[in-house]
Amino acid sequence: DAGVIQSPRHEVTEMGQEVTLRCKPISGHNSLFWYRQTMMRGLELLIYFNNNVPIDDSGMPEDRFSAKMPNASFSTLKIQPSEPRDSAVYFCASSYRFYEQYFGPGTRLTVT
Amino acid sequence: AQSVAQPEDQVKVAEGNPLTVKCTYSVSGNPYLFWYVQYPNRGLQFLLKYITGDNLVKGSYGFEAEFNKSQTSFHLKKPSALVSDSALYFCAVWDTDKLIFGTGTRLQVFP
Repeated sequence: DAGVIQSPRHEVTEMGQEVTLRCKPISGHNSLFWYRQTMMRGLELLIYFNNNVPIDDSGMPEDRFSAKMPNASFSTLKIQPSEPRDSAVYFCASSYRFYEQYFGPGTRLTVT
Repeated sequence: AQSVAQPEDQVKVAEGNPLTVKCTYSVSGNPYLFWYVQYPNRGLQFLLKYITGDNLVKGSYGFEAEFNKSQTSFHLKKPSALVSDSALYFCAVWDTDKLIFGTGTRLQVFP
């Protein structure tokens, strides 16, 4: 199994631009999680899906952030418009039923 | 609400010595507890979990954790530290349908 796949691995963009992060969960997993990690705030849960349905998006910082999961094998996290304070490493993780989550390698986002 | 606390931001230990990374929890009901490790520029990796049964849980890379109900603790341990164990370690607790992570402890093993 290839594990959780995220793309791109690195993204550098200018303030005001739209950013789309992508995630492919492990085949057969039915839950998907988006996290953000910064030095200042640590690891934050942004949103998670169960069977492609968003369950809790209370961690999404602002309306500029949105996430979709159109099918069981793909999810996106979009930031529009992006701001310098959005610079962070964004992780996607998936799990089957409950418990162990398997994390992707992350996308390092830099907004200038 | 379920929560975990990692009281130490950083732990330093000499290679070959035993290591302990501390975690305490606050839950209603029976806790489901986890440890994850994050190496530089990588995602978090699952190390071990406690669901029920034996209080001593063995995991990957020679790590183990001891569940102590009376002290509400779930400390991560290893008998002999390696320089390659240097990483960021997260304790987590299961809450309904998601994991609640601690703030992380940076482990530094020096030669």
